[in-house]
Amino acid sequence: SAVISQKPSRDICQRGTSLTIQCQVDSQVTMMFWYRQQPGQSLTLIATANQGSEATYESGFVIDKFPISRPNLTFSTLTVSNMSPEDSSIYLCSVEAPGEEKLFFGSGTQLSVL
Amino acid sequence: KQEVTQIPAALSVPEGENLVLNCSFTDSAIYNLQWFRQDPGKGLTSLLLIQSSQREQTSGRLNASLDKSSGRSTLYIAASQPGDSATYLCAVNQAGTALIFGKGTTLSVSS
Repeated sequence: SAVISQKPSRDICQRGTSLTIQCQVDSQVTMMFWYRQQPGQSLTLIATANQGSEATYESGFVIDKFPISRPNLTFSTLTVSNMSPEDSSIYLCSVEAPGEEKLFFGSGTQLSVL
Repeated sequence: KQEVTQIPAALSVPEGENLVLNCSFTDSAIYNLQWFRQDPGKGLTSLLLIQSSQREQTSGRLNASLDKSSGRSTLYIAASQPGDSATYLCAVNQAGTALIFGKGTTLSVSS
């Protein structure tokens, strides 16, 4: 299994500002995934972060809006840039633990943009 | 394009009842299917993973079945308890894509 510490757990931000979300894993993992869950919707993958290379973004998501860092095998950050109320969502990081096919998730960041 | 649908969207039952949550998917070419539980402020917890070659998986009071040919999975919860109250999500894993999630079923078990 994998234990993921995600912070902040929630934040209320002003329009036009940026927020950086951090995820720390208790073991080394090759890939980390960042998801968004908009109110009443299913989870949508934003990007996949590999250590030592640029993140791979899904259709509809761009690096300028959601820059991602992956400095080592246990840590990643997602920044939500130039926020608008439409960015209000739950953001979750996720990993696939070595030797397991299950996905493990952080506790999520509830973001509200005013 | 794969689509995952969960019915019902919400369900309320009294404690002790057995219940079934449904998940359907449009493309049967999947590697596996997972059921997750989501609690507010606690992220998602993986409950059961069923490989495409399997028919069912059991963990305690939970039993998940998979009928890949018909594109259906069910999560059976026996003797429900108030602590089972949460949102339950199913997700399918396909080649070349990330997990594709349904919108979930929000379960409320009253004591």
